[in-house]
Amino acid sequence: SAVISQKPSRDICQRGTSLTIQCQVDSQVTMMFWYRQQPGQSLTLIATANQGSEATYESGFVIDKFPISRPNLTFSTLTVSNMSPEDSSIYLCSVTRDSETQYFGPGTRLLVL
Amino acid sequence: QKEVEQDPGPLSVPEGAIVSLNCTYSNSAFQYFMWYRQYSRKGPELLMYTYSSGNKEDGRFTAQVDKSSKYISLFIRDSQPSDSATYLCAVRYSSASKIIFGSGTRLSIRP
Repeated sequence: SAVISQKPSRDICQRGTSLTIQCQVDSQVTMMFWYRQQPGQSLTLIATANQGSEATYESGFVIDKFPISRPNLTFSTLTVSNMSPEDSSIYLCSVTRDSETQYFGPGTRLLVL
Repeated sequence: QKEVEQDPGPLSVPEGAIVSLNCTYSNSAFQYFMWYRQYSRKGPELLMYTYSSGNKEDGRFTAQVDKSSKYISLFIRDSQPSDSATYLCAVRYSSASKIIFGSGTRLSIRP
């Protein structure tokens, strides 16, 4: 398994501002992912965070809006830029060592006013 | 059409009952099927992971995949209040491809 922590656990932000969410894993992992979970909707993959290179974004998500960093094998950040109320959601970090089993962090609850 | 459909519930059953949770999926190319459990204010945790059709049992939990009807199920025997959570089904094409999640079914077990 993997122990994953996220910071902050929750935040309330004003529209137009940006928030950076941190994800820390207790040991090295091969892949790290960022998901969004909106109320009543399924988990949606935003991007795969690649160590040492640019993240790979899913359709509908762009780097300018959701810049991602992964400086090493245990840490990644997701920034939600120029926020609007539609960005209110739970953002989840996920990791895998063997490509099969994914482990999820506790999530960051974001409310944009 | 969504790739994975799941009844959102809520589903409320008495303690000790057998719970049946179900999902349907649209693409017959999906080969891997998963069930995650998510407690309130926590991230999802993997419960069951199966390949292709058939049943898989783990304690009180049984996962069932019927590829002919594109139907996946999770059965919980002797349900406990601690089983109260949201259950997410998920599918993927291969062991390394993107996981596609259902929207989750909220389950409540009444003491």
